[in-house]
Amino acid sequence: EVQLVESGGGLVQPGRSMKLSCAASGFTFSNYGMAWVRQAPTKGLEWVATISYDGSSTYYRDSVKGRFTISRDNAKSTLYLQMNSLRSEDTATYYCTRDYYYDGTYYPLGFAYWGQGTLVTVSS
Amino acid sequence: DIQMTQSPASLSASLGETVTIECRASEDIYNGLAWYQQKPGKSPQLLIYNANSLHTGVPSRFSGSGSGTQYSLKINSLQSEDVASYFCQQYYNYRTFGGGTKLELK
Repeated sequence: EVQLVESGGGLVQPGRSMKLSCAASGFTFSNYGMAWVRQAPTKGLEWVATISYDGSSTYYRDSVKGRFTISRDNAKSTLYLQMNSLRSEDTATYYCTRDYYYDGTYYPLGFAYWGQGTLVTVSS
Repeated sequence: DIQMTQSPASLSASLGETVTIECRASEDIYNGLAWYQQKPGKSPQLLIYNANSLHTGVPSRFSGSGSGTQYSLKINSLQSEDVASYFCQQYYNYRTFGGGTKLELK
């Protein structure tokens, strides 16, 4: 059974940092790109970042470029999101999701699995 | 960046009715489109990928169609458990979500 379990959310002051983790199990982690998606309270879904299956490539939405860093440890089947210089508009539930499959060929299949989400509240 | 315009923003329908939700991309996304269902307090769930492929375990009353810049999600014979918000997403170039459609029962 595929499982994605996020941790690390909570209350943080504006301008401070926070690091989210996502522990993956039930699939070959190193064969999949991974992504973070967020959802502000009562709002829609917003893609944040994607990392390639081997960690060599990363992609970000414009509003978090230079502040957020997505990374992974394939040996630990864990995905991370380092968030620096946090702003009130970063307040959201952050979801870890499984992105594309790669075995030498790229297979985009949508985000088939999601974690339960972790709430990040940026407030003084 | 590719923009996704989803319509309608909200929708009220009766049990047994057929419902259609539309998504328009700002440029051709070559069927790189997924649809998700999200119930209150829950994580989103994948319904459709590659514009028209049904994800494992999703009831066959859900279907996706479209090409180029225009895509749609159809729900046949609406059930009470289909009350939820629905989102489209393009993954042809980076990833972008539509604004969402909130589906309620009439």
